[in-house]
Amino acid sequence: DAGVIQSPRHEVTEMGQEVTLRCKPISGHNSLFWYRQTMMRGLELLIYFNNNVPIDDSGMPEDRFSAKMPNASFSTLKIQPSEPRDSAVYFCASSFDRGIDGYTFGSGTRLTVV
Amino acid sequence: AQSVSQHNHHVILSEAASLELGCNYSYGGTVNLFWYVQYPGQHLQLLLKYFSGDPLVKGIKGFEAEFIKSKFSFNLRKPSVQWSDTAEYFCAVNARTGRRALTFGSGTRLQVQP
Repeated sequence: DAGVIQSPRHEVTEMGQEVTLRCKPISGHNSLFWYRQTMMRGLELLIYFNNNVPIDDSGMPEDRFSAKMPNASFSTLKIQPSEPRDSAVYFCASSFDRGIDGYTFGSGTRLTVV
Repeated sequence: AQSVSQHNHHVILSEAASLELGCNYSYGGTVNLFWYVQYPGQHLQLLLKYFSGDPLVKGIKGFEAEFIKSKFSFNLRKPSVQWSDTAEYFCAVNARTGRRALTFGSGTRLQVQP
């Protein structure tokens, strides 16, 4: 298995532009998590899905952020419009059964909004 | 709500020194506990996990952690560190029941000097 695959690895965009981050979880995993990592706030959970259904989106900062999981093998995190304070590394992780056995993380997307 | 505290933000050791990183959690129920490592520029990788049974758990690369329920602690230890252990270490917790995702501590940056 190739692990959790995220794209792009790096994204530089101008303030106000739409940004879409993508994630392919490990085949057979039924939970998917989006985390954001910054120096100031560490690792924050944004949203997680179980069986493609959003379970907890209380960490989504505001309406500019949205996430979808149209099927078991794909998820997107969209920021529209983007702002400089959104600059961070965004990690996707997947697990079986909400993570009893821990999560497997992707390599992350480093987002820079200028 | 569950929370995790890592009191050591930055630790500097010489090679062969012993390591202990503190982790305390706050949650009233039964928890699963994890330690993750993040090498520079990389994603998080699972070091070890505790669910139940022997409170002393052994992980990869010679790391171990001890769960002390009365102290709500899950400290990470290694008898002799190597330069290659330079990384950031995250403690994480989630409730054994319910639908909460992993909550991470703020991380401890370990620097091992040759």
